[in-house]
Amino acid sequence: NAGVTQTPKFQVLKTGQSMTLQCAQDMNHNSMYWYRQDPGMGLRLIYYSASEGTTDKGEVPNGYNVSRLNKREFSLRLESAAPSQTSVYFCASSGQQNSPLHFGNGTRLTVT
Amino acid sequence: QKEVEQDPGPLSVPEGAIVSLNCTYSNSAFQYFMWYRQYSRKGPELLMYTYSSGNKEDGRFTAQVDKSSKYISLFIRDSQPSDSATYLCAMIGGGATNKLIFGTGTLLAVQP
Repeated sequence: NAGVTQTPKFQVLKTGQSMTLQCAQDMNHNSMYWYRQDPGMGLRLIYYSASEGTTDKGEVPNGYNVSRLNKREFSLRLESAAPSQTSVYFCASSGQQNSPLHFGNGTRLTVT
Repeated sequence: QKEVEQDPGPLSVPEGAIVSLNCTYSNSAFQYFMWYRQYSRKGPELLMYTYSSGNKEDGRFTAQVDKSSKYISLFIRDSQPSDSATYLCAMIGGGATNKLIFGTGTLLAVQP
């Protein structure tokens, strides 16, 4: 029972490079989320998808794009990475409205 | 002012102590309250989930919500070294979109 799976676990990019973070959930959840976690800032919502076929901006969407590929998968793309995007990225999913989120174990991204 | 305030710690206690972790919030629309535990280099995992005011107990953990004071607490009885982690409070407004607002987390160290 994998839950929420994120790949890769670690990544180092140079400024200006692009990459896509992958997330998949096997709990048949409707909603999926991308957060970033930085020291002293807590978890901040980047984008979310309330259901398959919809995506919406969160608190810090600038510099990111997302794709809800199907009900299971939700990817996060950095088109032109910047050092300010160095962070730990977490994907999460939830079922019914107001139910708790289930998190993956994160992708640790460093942009030099 | 942040919507959710949480003392970052670190909080260091001896094994067996009772631990009290707290969050305050400003938005009276919050109705669902959660506590997550996050071990180093892992994703947050749900510990407690409560609705509105009152207490909820699960083993050594008790969650308390006081909506009139906009204050929530997590108590850990008979703390163990394995409880050493960062504890994040989170809450939802109960609206159509299931967006959690997180505290920044309190780092707890239980000394053997």
